[in-house]
Amino acid sequence: TQLLEQSPQFLSIQEGENLTVYCNSSSVFSSLQWYRQEPGEGPVLLVTVVTGGEVKKLKRLTFQFGDARKDSSLHITAAQPGDTGLYLCAGRNQAGTALIFGKGTTLSVSS
Amino acid sequence: DSGVTQTPKHLITATGQRVTLRCSPRSGDLSVYWYQQSLDQGLQFLIQYYNGEERAKGNILERFSAQQFPDLHSELNLSSLELGDSALYFCASSVEEGREQYFGPGTRLTVT
Repeated sequence: TQLLEQSPQFLSIQEGENLTVYCNSSSVFSSLQWYRQEPGEGPVLLVTVVTGGEVKKLKRLTFQFGDARKDSSLHITAAQPGDTGLYLCAGRNQAGTALIFGKGTTLSVSS
Repeated sequence: DSGVTQTPKHLITATGQRVTLRCSPRSGDLSVYWYQQSLDQGLQFLIQYYNGEERAKGNILERFSAQQFPDLHSELNLSSLELGDSALYFCASSVEEGREQYFGPGTRLTVT
């Protein structure tokens, strides 16, 4: 069974701090995606990483895919209150169709 | 705005009842996916359709069914509802199978 474990489950920080969220699995994924979800809304796709070792940057967010394609990390530099939300990683199931989601990291950034 | 629409936004119903959730995919997207999100289980894949045909099933109960119509909109039917079916139900769409999925705003179902 393919599982994605995210850590930490909750993170509460002050504006301006840096943070890293992790997504780990014992399975290899062809790609991993990161989503951000705000309360009462659907997940919004942030990035897709495909190649082992790949690093993608989206403003203050840096995403990395592990060399073995079993793990990924999301690093946020100088967090802002607008970064508050639920961060979800997701990988495709073995059939390559549906997404398997981690349970997410709830981030709270206070000013 | 992802371009995926879902109705209704909220639904409150009693145990034993049946409800239908509706999803319109992004323009041009042929594949529709349904997910259930609960506090304890997180986001779980239920079922996928591609151009009107069922393509994959996940953790979908037998009391639940779905279909995709010729105009590509999809409906998720939930019957004999139980308290534990209370959750957020999301629809996502992609242009083709295996491509990036874009999620709708969800339907919050409360079973009392």
